Amino acid sequence: AAGVIQSPRHLIKEKRETATLKCYPIPRHDTVYWYQQGPGQDPQFLISFYEKMQSDKGSIPDRFSAQQFSDYHSELNMSSLELGDSALYFCASSSRGTSRGTQYFGPGTRLLVL
Amino acid sequence: GNSVTQMEGPVTLSEEAFLTINCTYTATGYPSLFWYVQYPGEGLQLLLKATKADDKGSNKGFEATYRKETTSFHLEKGSVQVSDSAVYFCALVTGNQFYFGTGTSLTVIP
Repeated sequence: AAGVIQSPRHLIKEKRETATLKCYPIPRHDTVYWYQQGPGQDPQFLISFYEKMQSDKGSIPDRFSAQQFSDYHSELNMSSLELGDSALYFCASSSRGTSRGTQYFGPGTRLLVL
Repeated sequence: GNSVTQMEGPVTLSEEAFLTINCTYTATGYPSLFWYVQYPGEGLQLLLKATKADDKGSNKGFEATYRKETTSFHLEKGSVQVSDSAVYFCALVTGNQFYFGTGTSLTVIP
């Protein structure tokens, strides 16, 4: 079965640079979520989109923005990168029509800021 | 508010030992409960879930029962294998927001 696809899988950037992470949800899923997972930590919710509109906002820094496009893929844009942004970024997708909000996670993008 | 409290790790077991990872939750409304597993260097994989009280989720020999009276969703496996070594996250969803526990690292030694 098709899973959530994230690209790139690994990314190395320098401080103050920008980065764009992409997420392609499972086909027919209408909701996308972004999470940040620091080393040894649990995933922290950043932001979510339902039917291309922002639906919930978590601990997303003002330097970050995200959107969901007409084909339901989503992009997380990160500017003025800081060393502390180094983390694993997960995208998850779900369908509000399926059972009670199960989220399916992508493999993650590992971002390293030098 | 909504939160998940998970047994702290790390947990180290011998192969074929019995595993319990405790998880309790606080939630408004009627959450669904999940266990996710994260293998080294990989993403989160759904292990099992339960959507209402007294439901039992099971997968790959793991089980967890949604206990509303004790607000718990403990993960159990009767006989662990080396390949079960991973980090396990308990989570709940209410509305469309997920709340994760802090994760429990399990190492199974031969």
